[in-house]
Amino acid sequence: DADVTQTPRNRITKTGKRIMLECSQTKGHDRMYWYRQDPGLGLRLIYYSFDVKDINKGEISDGYSVSRQAQAKFSLSLESAIPNQTALYFCATSDPRTGGMLGYTFGSGTRLTVV
Amino acid sequence: AQTVTQSQPEMSVQEAETVTLSCTYDTSENNYYLFWYKQPPSRQMILVIRQEAYKQQNATENRFSVNFQKAAKSFSLKISDSQLGDTAMYFCAFMEYGNKLVFGAGTILRVKS
Repeated sequence: DADVTQTPRNRITKTGKRIMLECSQTKGHDRMYWYRQDPGLGLRLIYYSFDVKDINKGEISDGYSVSRQAQAKFSLSLESAIPNQTALYFCATSDPRTGGMLGYTFGSGTRLTVV
Repeated sequence: AQTVTQSQPEMSVQEAETVTLSCTYDTSENNYYLFWYKQPPSRQMILVIRQEAYKQQNATENRFSVNFQKAAKSFSLKISDSQLGDTAMYFCAFMEYGNKLVFGAGTILRVKS
């Protein structure tokens, strides 16, 4: 099994619908992140959580919310999806004990299309 | 805020040749990490190589090496003996100690046979 699992892998949804992207990890890491990838823009941080009780906005959090249900689970919700939220979404984890020097472990991404 | 700039949106190289991907970054910090990630068509994010800013020696991983110029805030990736499997999007990324990754826009590399 993958260290970081994202579901679904692909999703098409309609404008105005609520959708949840799920992420679970077996790394035992406290820190989890949600990024979105757009062509020409790279990966941009949506939300991050340094532990279960700590949730922080990233640079592009408008239109999104998150829930950290447990150390291993971090979900991203789009309350009312709009077409410009069409993107590739990544969940990632990191181990704070390393200070970040090992980078992140990424999930395989969720391709979301809003029509 | 930290920024990472990859000035080459696309590059191509012949199989077995060498290619260098450029990356510059902006920070006022002295202690940080730099990374190159590879994203093949499978879209998985794969760590290629990393560099700790306090280390002067450039990192090397098999055919992949970096040219880290701290004063110039430059972190280029050199791929030697390019292989078809190196075809991918490459992202340069920066992290302050204990903080969050900031990514560049990416460079698409195509290796031609």
